[in-house]
Amino acid sequence: GQNIDQPTEMTATEGAIVQINCTYQTSGFNGLFWYQQHAGEAPTFLSYNVLDGLEEKGRFSSFLSRSKGYSYLLLKELQMKDSASYLCAAMDSNYQLIWGAGTKLIIKP
Amino acid sequence: ETGVTQTPRHLVMGMTNKKSLKCEQHLGHNAMYWYKQSAKKPLELMFVYNFKEQTENNSVPSRFSPECPNSSHLFLHLHTLQPEDSALYLCASSQGELEAGELFFGEGSRLTVL
Repeated sequence: GQNIDQPTEMTATEGAIVQINCTYQTSGFNGLFWYQQHAGEAPTFLSYNVLDGLEEKGRFSSFLSRSKGYSYLLLKELQMKDSASYLCAAMDSNYQLIWGAGTKLIIKP
Repeated sequence: ETGVTQTPRHLVMGMTNKKSLKCEQHLGHNAMYWYKQSAKKPLELMFVYNFKEQTENNSVPSRFSPECPNSSHLFLHLHTLQPEDSALYLCASSQGELEAGELFFGEGSRLTVL
């Protein structure tokens, strides 16, 4: 079957770095996506990886290893506003998104 | 502001009521989606429309009935719902079905079924 695993909840300190891991199993693969969702708000697109390696976008970076079925989202210089849920999703060969249940990130001062 | 607007934001209904959720996108996209989001569960894709044609119905019960009159508007008609249907219903759009990974979501309609 198709599956996405990511931690349910993580806690980090303001100013620090946190890495949110995601492993996936899909029928075929057409990319790995990360979304951010603040409580009571719409999910917003953060990043897309289809080739192995690291994609950097400001304080956020996303990494993909296709051979390991593994991705992570790296958040640097954490700010209180980064408290949110982070959703990992993999696209299968039919261009369907398979979603994880999300990781709730709590930032403490 | 994501360019996707959903109304109402909150809805409480009894099991015998009929109501509708509305979604409008101002992005010029061709594909629109309904998702169900329940606490601590992955997003569940319900329906996909591409150029107004339904291309996906993920075994959704018939008490949920979608309607897509044009590429900018999407409705979800609700009737005789069950308490387990209480959830956040998210509408999303993308440029096309092949760009389904980069979705623009509305803020959702929080549905409570009594």
